[in-house]
Amino acid sequence: GAGVSQSPSNKVTEKGKDVELRCDPISGHTALYWYRQSLGQGLEFLIYFQGNSAPDKSGLPSDRFSAERTGGSVSTLTIQRTQQEDSAVYLCASSLRTGFSEKLFFGSGTQLSVL
Amino acid sequence: SQQGEEDPQALSIQEGENATMNCSYKTSINNLQWYRQNSGRGLVHLILIRSNEREKHSGRLRVTLDTSKKSSSLLITASRAADTASYFCATDADGTDKLIFGTGTRLQVFP
Repeated sequence: GAGVSQSPSNKVTEKGKDVELRCDPISGHTALYWYRQSLGQGLEFLIYFQGNSAPDKSGLPSDRFSAERTGGSVSTLTIQRTQQEDSAVYLCASSLRTGFSEKLFFGSGTQLSVL
Repeated sequence: SQQGEEDPQALSIQEGENATMNCSYKTSINNLQWYRQNSGRGLVHLILIRSNEREKHSGRLRVTLDTSKKSSSLLITASRAADTASYFCATDADGTDKLIFGTGTRLQVFP
């Protein structure tokens, strides 16, 4: 596609339910990143993928969070047993490759609200 | 954890004035990038400056980098109401491939 696509754009769920957030990166981009942004705050790094592998999962807040990427393309971020503190905007970004000189292209995010 | 801290947290100016935002970071870096975010959603890349560069320009944007002080500044000249947004600096974390973002500066430009 022309840009990074995230779905759903908004998700309201009840505490304790599982949610899946999807990210479709720019075609040909091998690197994919997930960030979380709480209201009025900066971006918190969660995980990144190079191809289908995730070299750095250090940002995942707890074992309730997991992510996978298949076919070097679409990625899914899964949050199990959601808690109210999981409420935030989840942003996905892709870049042509990993590396410190690569700029990221962001999707519009998924606003997650846990009631 | 945050690598960068922006200062000020919020800035309000009139159209036509210049806006300066500062970013401080903690570890050695290879480059520093600035991004803009409208309405709390997707970010847009503005400019990248490498660790061996001291200043870079792009249109009305001027970025400086002082690696000895571990700081960078973003100057927007002749601001417009459309520049109203949050601005974030981002750096690679100690040579790793992940990009770590600062806390952001909220800029409000009044017409």
